[in-house]
Amino acid sequence: DAKTTQPPSMDCAEGRAANLPCNHSTISGNEYVYWYRQIHSQGPQYIIHGLKNNETNEMASLIITEDRKSSTLILPHATLRDTAVYYCIASGTYKYIFGTGTRLKVLA
Amino acid sequence: DTGVSQNPRHKITKRGQNVTFRCDPISEHNRLYWYRQTLGQGPEFLTYFQNEAQLEKSRLLSDRFSAERPKGSFSTLEIQRTEQGDSAMYLCASLNGMGTEAFFGQGTRLTVV
Repeated sequence: DAKTTQPPSMDCAEGRAANLPCNHSTISGNEYVYWYRQIHSQGPQYIIHGLKNNETNEMASLIITEDRKSSTLILPHATLRDTAVYYCIASGTYKYIFGTGTRLKVLA
Repeated sequence: DTGVSQNPRHKITKRGQNVTFRCDPISEHNRLYWYRQTLGQGPEFLTYFQNEAQLEKSRLLSDRFSAERPKGSFSTLEIQRTEQGDSAMYLCASLNGMGTEAFFGQGTRLTVV
């Protein structure tokens, strides 16, 4: 699985869009990009995944660059409940390799 | 409840004791994973089951650790002769056959004193 690089922390004002970047420059063609988040003391929660097209669901949007070397998770209207650690994972196998993620703090 | 269930949620044990954790995955999910998470780190893969077969074990899983999934349903993770370094959150996850979304349990927090 490709290594991913994320900023260790970010702040976002409540109600604004939160844009979380991820670099996965060594991603291979069969590897998907997955995003999970982990709120304090809970298990990780699936957010979204994609291969090469942009994806949107009720939680977030995922923008993947054309060369697939990086992606951005967008939370369109961040709330205080979105404060969490966000993990970007590039995987084409049956298991996920988590990094240390981005700690997003949504500010009132 | 249709989520992944882990028991106990918290366990405090003395060094040298054995502990066992249980994970009940979502019923139709044939893939089951165990991860370990220490403070400030992301979850680390420990082992993977497809149905009752244990298909991969991480090097992190020393010979003091054993995991089973009898009949391809619930799974147990046992740690023998616990050490202080075993203190961590132990997470279980299950996936369906498509494997596009992992569902994690709330974890078991182990403290070895």
